[in-house]
Amino acid sequence: DTEVTQTPKHLVMGMTNKKSLKCEQHMGHRAMYWYKQKAKKPPELMFVYSYEKLSINESVPSRFSPECPNSSLLNLHLHALQPEDSALYLCASSFGSNQPQHFGDGTRLSIL
Amino acid sequence: AQKITQTQPGMFVQEKEAVTLDCTYDTSDQSYGLFWYKQPSSGEMIFLIYQGSYDEQNATEGRYSLNFQKARKSANLVISASQLGDSAMYFCAMRERYSGGYQKVTFGIGTKLQVIP
Repeated sequence: DTEVTQTPKHLVMGMTNKKSLKCEQHMGHRAMYWYKQKAKKPPELMFVYSYEKLSINESVPSRFSPECPNSSLLNLHLHALQPEDSALYLCASSFGSNQPQHFGDGTRLSIL
Repeated sequence: AQKITQTQPGMFVQEKEAVTLDCTYDTSDQSYGLFWYKQPSSGEMIFLIYQGSYDEQNATEGRYSLNFQKARKSANLVISASQLGDSAMYFCAMRERYSGGYQKVTFGIGTKLQVIP
């Protein structure tokens, strides 16, 4: 079992729906990350939060909206997604800038 | 800019044999860190091993060892005594440190390893 918990594991949504992905860790990590991964490709960084502040946004479309309500929780709000947004969304956390990132199991998102 | 190169799209290894997965990197930083992650078909990314640029000894974690050759800018992963459960995608990665207490990781394109019974 991973120490980073992502819910839901699978999500199917229409292009007009609004949904949220949730990520939780209780390891005391202060940096949290969202990645998007298409099939047979490496993960691509989307957002980085450090000490609950958005530190990196890799020019992600505004239909993806991250939120970090506290140091243990990271959300990704989804609205008006496109079929090309179908992918595996991975959350990760790290203790700092030097330690390895720990990943969750991911959410498999399908846009109809 | 940092770059990771994995030149083996796919590898086969017989069960119980050792296998080496290649990784080369490029960076202008003096201080850097290299990771290997395993991703089974189920999707989770599992951290395997870490090597810091100033570490004098090669990192080892159980059946995993990292063959770090700094002058050649290579960080190959060696898996000894392969098991069927080792079948997965393997990513080599390099981290860039930021002063705000976070990091940015560059991943290679991955190597798909299949262990044959």
